[in-house]
Amino acid sequence: DIQMTQSPSSLSASVGDRVTITCRASQGISSDLGWYQQKPGRAPQRLIYAASSLQSGVPSRFSGSGSGTEFTLTISSLQPEDFATYYCLQHNSEPWTFGQGTKVDIK
Amino acid sequence: EVQLVESGGGLVQPGGSLRLSCAASGFTFRKYNLHWVRQAPGKGLLFISRITADGRETKCADSVEGRFTISRDNAKSTLYLQMNSLGPEDTAMYYCVRLGGSDPFDHWGRGALVTVSS
Repeated sequence: DIQMTQSPSSLSASVGDRVTITCRASQGISSDLGWYQQKPGRAPQRLIYAASSLQSGVPSRFSGSGSGTEFTLTISSLQPEDFATYYCLQHNSEPWTFGQGTKVDIK
Repeated sequence: EVQLVESGGGLVQPGGSLRLSCAASGFTFRKYNLHWVRQAPGKGLLFISRITADGRETKCADSVEGRFTISRDNAKSTLYLQMNSLGPEDTAMYYCVRLGGSDPFDHWGRGALVTVSS
């Protein structure tokens, strides 16, 4: 199975900060990666698909980049509603695998 | 509006069985692969199972292989997960999901809580 390693596992940031989360794959996965946001008590929602395509309805402050084994999710200016846990998901090879998550909380 | 609504969760004793259902609406159910993803309390997301649009091919995670069975009824727009030989490690929120992959269509249900305890 492909292992997905996210870093950091948690971070504290302030409103307006630029935030970057990294996901590394144990082998190359082309651009077959998505990013999800999950708020407490809620189901996840996808933000980014195909590594860099913005999901419909998602604010443009979210962006994704990368290919192969290293990927990043960037929030250009953190907003109060962005405090949540973020997961990457690779869909290059079955079983599809998630990263362990990055919790973003208020500094 | 796209909806995936899970039902059938609850408390079950170790070694017991449970069947989850997921009623879909708002999209052409028979055209899409579907998935089950679970999340243990305070933990991350875990792919459990996938079924193709026509129901002919399935895939399960190693941790549930031989115990869990995914199926679907395209005439009823319903996805199922039959869970047997349940153990405490199976306690989790189970999400019915259309994982989009490279496709823009990605949608999650609200989840069904399964608790395995004596």
